[in-house]
Amino acid sequence: AQTVTQSQPEMSVQEAETVTLSCTYDTSESDYYLFWYKQPPSRQMILVIRQEAYKQQNATENRFSVNFQKAAKSFSLKISDSQLGDAAMYFCAYRGVGAQKLVFGQGTRLTINP
Amino acid sequence: NAGVTQTPKFQVLKTGQSMTLQCAQDMNHNSMYWYRQDPGMGLRLIYYSASEGTTDKGEVPNGYNVSRLNKREFSLRLESAAPSQTSVYFCASSFEGGQNQPQHFGDGTRLSIL
Repeated sequence: AQTVTQSQPEMSVQEAETVTLSCTYDTSESDYYLFWYKQPPSRQMILVIRQEAYKQQNATENRFSVNFQKAAKSFSLKISDSQLGDAAMYFCAYRGVGAQKLVFGQGTRLTINP
Repeated sequence: NAGVTQTPKFQVLKTGQSMTLQCAQDMNHNSMYWYRQDPGMGLRLIYYSASEGTTDKGEVPNGYNVSRLNKREFSLRLESAAPSQTSVYFCASSFEGGQNQPQHFGDGTRLSIL
């Protein structure tokens, strides 16, 4: 079974600085999808960024980018120019090709210090 | 632009009571999901429905039943609530057509079992 591990329960960063959230996963599949979701205090789960495993190029969405290391089974999220609105729980998630379910990590609580 | 709507947002039950959580989506998605979120454990899949008329167990189905009423609606029922089912419940939906389509989440239902 696939597992996703986020080893940082909490992180904090100064406003305008850059922070990287870590995620590792375990799978025997060669093709799959990876996601980062943001959950603010409002509880809503918001998709931040996604990556297809067959793509070597790292995904980027504005201030959010990933460092996808397939051999190491690592999928970290980098947030540049951190803003107060980035404060939230961040979840890394895995999905196999053809699979219905998402497998989530335990989450990392990100605090932005003004 | 409602997306995924869950009702109720909060509920308190006594042990042994029954309860149905409602979920509806207006994005014409074919797949729908129910997750539970517990502290320190991320989200775990309870049940999912790949299409109208079909349902399948996820990672933690015990104590729950589901009904895919039509393409829009997917309900989760607790027949005899137990304190271990105290959690935040999320409904999600996605369009599954062989592409990497993300799951869209509702705002969650906070359920407390006394």
